[in-house]
Amino acid sequence: EPEVTQTPSHQVTQMGQEVILRCVPISNHLYFYWYRQILGQKVEFLVSFYNNEISEKSEIFDDQFSVERPDGSNFTLKIRSTKLEDSAMYFCASREDRGIAFFGQGTRLTVV
Amino acid sequence: DQQVKQNSPSLSVQEGRISILNCDYTNSMFDYFLWYKKYPAEGPTFLISISSIKDKNEDGRFTVFLNKSAKHLSLHIVPSQPGDSAVYFCAASLGGSQGNLIFGKGTKLSVKP
Repeated sequence: EPEVTQTPSHQVTQMGQEVILRCVPISNHLYFYWYRQILGQKVEFLVSFYNNEISEKSEIFDDQFSVERPDGSNFTLKIRSTKLEDSAMYFCASREDRGIAFFGQGTRLTVV
Repeated sequence: DQQVKQNSPSLSVQEGRISILNCDYTNSMFDYFLWYKKYPAEGPTFLISISSIKDKNEDGRFTVFLNKSAKHLSLHIVPSQPGDSAVYFCAASLGGSQGNLIFGKGTKLSVKP
């Protein structure tokens, strides 16, 4: 069964460093998303990506964040200068059209 | 502004009984609703969905009911099993080119043997 894969599963980084979280969406899907979940809180929408551009972003997704689909298969989330409060589980999701979004297993980002 | 609300952070039921998880929403433009199940340290897993043109969708032990006039949906699990213990998230979508899901805060279901 096709699935969304995310790497790494756990990333520890120093505050102020750049991190890149990687995702391989399901191959025939058209819409791509990043969500995050801070420990004990709800799953929050960050950004959606369609047709090689951002289609919507939340207020969390400020200038420190960027997304890219560099090679037609990978979908990356970059955080330029990490802050302690960026520590969270980051989930990538993809979706064929309207309908079910499938999530990856997540990347646990720990900023120290 | 919480567009999707799950007002019960937790629910405990006995194995074999019915679990009812509730969700309210504020945006009448939502046209697609989904329930996801999430285990610790894993991504949300799709469970069941319903389009706004329907009021009920059933899949095995899981049934989702939608009351558009009340902007309310519920997930019924019958019979509940210990393996159903997880956090359940309600999500709503505007669909189309937006398609991002707006999640509720989740309800932690504990099914006791």
